[in-house]
Amino acid sequence: DAGVIQSPRHEVTEMGQEVTLRCKPISGHDYLFWYRQTMMRGLELLIYFNNNVPIDDSGMPEDRFSAKMPNASFSTLKIQPSEPRDSAVYFCASTLKREGRSRETQYFGPGTRLLVL
Amino acid sequence: LAKTTQPISMDSYEGQEVNITCSHNNIATNDYITWYQQFPSQGPRFIIQGYKTKVTNEVASLFIPADRKSSTLSLPRVSLSDTAVYYCLVGDGSSASKIIFGSGTRLSIRP
Repeated sequence: DAGVIQSPRHEVTEMGQEVTLRCKPISGHDYLFWYRQTMMRGLELLIYFNNNVPIDDSGMPEDRFSAKMPNASFSTLKIQPSEPRDSAVYFCASTLKREGRSRETQYFGPGTRLLVL
Repeated sequence: LAKTTQPISMDSYEGQEVNITCSHNNIATNDYITWYQQFPSQGPRFIIQGYKTKVTNEVASLFIPADRKSSTLSLPRVSLSDTAVYYCLVGDGSSASKIIFGSGTRLSIRP
């Protein structure tokens, strides 16, 4: 398996522009997570999906952020309008939750490094 | 979710054994302990997971005392490539697999 795929790997944009980050989870995984990582705040969970349904979006910083998962193999995280403080590395991760198993491990993508000027 | 505390940074030399301890005083009965490793410019990667006593795999060992209020990740004979940030996480698998990463321990290995 190719692992979790994210695109683009790098994004530079100007304040006020719309940014769309993309993620393809590992085939067969039923959970998908979006994280943001900065030096100041570390790795923060933004939102996660189960079977394409958003379960918890309490980590989404504000209404400028939105995430969708139209099918099991694709998710997007959109920032509109973007601001300089959104500059960070955004990770997507996926996992398969199996009944009766202990905590499942998450598989992370390589991340998208976003710079908002 | 149980809060974890680990050292901010550690230094060691190639060939040494490195032990990173994590405190989780409020760990619940159903909670497991999981460690991740993150290299620069990469996403975190699962290393090891355990519930009690000792767990060993090809990468590391995890020691968990009887009270489970702490755990120690042991990396045998480290090399320069083990330089990374190591995260300790605590939680159960009965909920929706939500994971909260702390600040992690930045491990630096020197020649």
